[in-house]
Order: sequence, then C-alpha cells, then structure tokens
Amino acid sequence: SAVISQKPSRDICQRGTSLTIQCQVDSQVTMMFWYRQQPGQSLTLIATANQGSEATYESGFVIDKFPISRPNLTFSTLTVSNMSPEDSSIYLCSATFWNTEAFFGQGTRLTVV
Amino acid sequence: RKEVEQDPGPFNVPEGATVAFNCTYSNSASQSFFWYRQDCRKEPKLLMSVYSSGNEDGRFTAQLNRASQYISLLIRDSKLSDSATYLCVVRPYGGATNKLIFGTGTLLAVQP
Repeated sequence: SAVISQKPSRDICQRGTSLTIQCQVDSQVTMMFWYRQQPGQSLTLIATANQGSEATYESGFVIDKFPISRPNLTFSTLTVSNMSPEDSSIYLCSATFWNTEAFFGQGTRLTVV
Repeated sequence: RKEVEQDPGPFNVPEGATVAFNCTYSNSASQSFFWYRQDCRKEPKLLMSVYSSGNEDGRFTAQLNRASQYISLLIRDSKLSDSATYLCVVRPYGGATNKLIFGTGTLLAVQP
C-alpha cells in the first residue's frame, strides 16, 4: 500500500491568484494522478503526472491552467492558476502501483473568493 | 454515454437490510474493477476489488458480468456505519496512463 500526504488541506484564495498543492507518497509508486471533486459530484481526472516529463491532461484541462510537476517517483505538485470561483473544489492526489487499486491523499479543499 | 454509470440514489434502508448497487461501464475491454467508499468530506478508500468469478468480503459481495458490462455490490445486514457514498471504479484497457474512471457514486443512508 501507499500513504499519501497532501498539503495544504484547505485554503481560501483570492481570484486571480495561484495555489500550488503538494503530494508526497511514502513509496516509489508507478503512477500519480490529480483529480477534482466538485460539491456533490464524483471524481474527475485532471491529468496523469509523468515523472520527468509533461503531464498527460484529460479533455477539458490544460497545462496553462493546471501545471503539474513530478520530479521523482514519490512527489508531485498541482498548481491551480489564475483562480476564479469556479475553481472552488476539492483536489485529490492519487497514486497506484501498476494495475493495483488507487490510494488517495486526504484532499485539498479550495475556496476562491 | 458516460464511461461509468451508477444510480446516484439516495438509498435509504433500515439497519439489517440487504441493499444492492449496480454499475454499468461502456468500454468492453476494461480490465480492472473496484468499489470504493467515500465518507462525507473524506477521500475515497478501497472497499474491494471485483473479480470475474465474483468475490465476497464479510457482508459485502461483488459481482462482475463482462457480457453485460455490469458490476454489482451487495451489502447484507446493513449497519449504520455503512452510510457513505459507494463509487464504482473501472480501469479501461489500453493506454499508457493506467488511469481509473470513477462513477458518480451511489449514496447509502442506513437508518436506525
């Protein structure tokens, strides 16, 4: 299994600013992902964080808005850029070993005012 | 059509009841299937994997029907602590990302 530490756990930000969320895993996992969960909704995959290269984004998400880094097997960051109230959501970091279940961080609850 | 579809509920059942959740998926080549549980304001956690032959873990039974592209979860003798959102999760076959696709979740409320 993997234990994921995500921070910050919550934040309130002004519109137009950016927030970087950090995700640290206690094991050298194969894959890391970033999800968004809006109130009352299920999880939507933003992107797959690739070690040492550009992330793979899902339809509707772009690098300029959600830049992602993964410098090594155990650490990744997601930045929410130029925030607007529509970005208010829970952002979740996830990790898997190949073909296993996904483990999740506790999430970052973001409110943009 | 969504890749993974679930009845959102809510399912309101009395303690001790048996309740079943269903899920359908659109990619016939999907390779892995899971049920996750998400408590209010918490991250999702794995409840159980779903195997082709069906599998049971205590009061929980999961079934997979590949021909119908259908997954089910049965909870027997419901407890108050079973109240949560149950997420059907599918790993589509192919691609390099090994990503998981989540259903919208089914809300279960077990009443005393």
